Amino acid sequence: KQEVTQIPAALSVPEGENLVLNCSFTDSAIYNLQWFRQDPGKGLTSLLLIQSSQREQTSGRLNASLDKSSGRSTLYIAASQPGDSATYLCAAPRSGAGSYQLTFGKGTKLSVIP
Amino acid sequence: GAVVSQHPSWVICKSGTSVKIECRSLDFQATTMFWYRQFPKQSLMLMATSNEGSKATYEQGVEKDKFLINHASLTLSTLTVTSAHPEDSSFYICSARGTSGGWTDTQYFGPGTRLTVL
Repeated sequence: KQEVTQIPAALSVPEGENLVLNCSFTDSAIYNLQWFRQDPGKGLTSLLLIQSSQREQTSGRLNASLDKSSGRSTLYIAASQPGDSATYLCAAPRSGAGSYQLTFGKGTKLSVIP
Repeated sequence: GAVVSQHPSWVICKSGTSVKIECRSLDFQATTMFWYRQFPKQSLMLMATSNEGSKATYEQGVEKDKFLINHASLTLSTLTVTSAHPEDSSFYICSARGTSGGWTDTQYFGPGTRLTVL
């Protein structure tokens, strides 16, 4: 059974800081891992998708890395802005070949202080 | 591209009534759609997997007779909450997975439907 854990649960940083969000998963036989953003009362916005053959993906100020052997992924946000304030979720496919169902972590709630 | 819509975005209903939520993939075909629910300050929990033209697969603990799922076409899945009760109040989110090419590796999520049962 896939279990996804995100640390920290909440994070508050001043504007301009670089920060790292952590995600760990128990079953490393995954074919990809996704990071999402969720604003209060809203749906999910896909940020980055890392394939199992990749070690990292970048989109603008966001960089996500994947280390299957250790069961960890990190989301790096450079030069944080107040608009980055949201809850960030990582999701990994559940255990089992060909599984497309995702298991989500509980998220990290990020607050960027102007 | 890769837009998923949900309707309605919010609904308030009386206890005992049924509510239907629609999930549509607007610019791609989705063989598989997923329904999640999210309680306040909790993460998303998968309720069921819906495949076009076949019966949905429900997660353990989810009542299939209470949460009816229909995936009648490659762009539409519906979730009907039957005889809703206050404990069914939640945020329901669907996602869709594409049929081919670059759409297949990721799921695209709808904006969610807030259900409040009085």
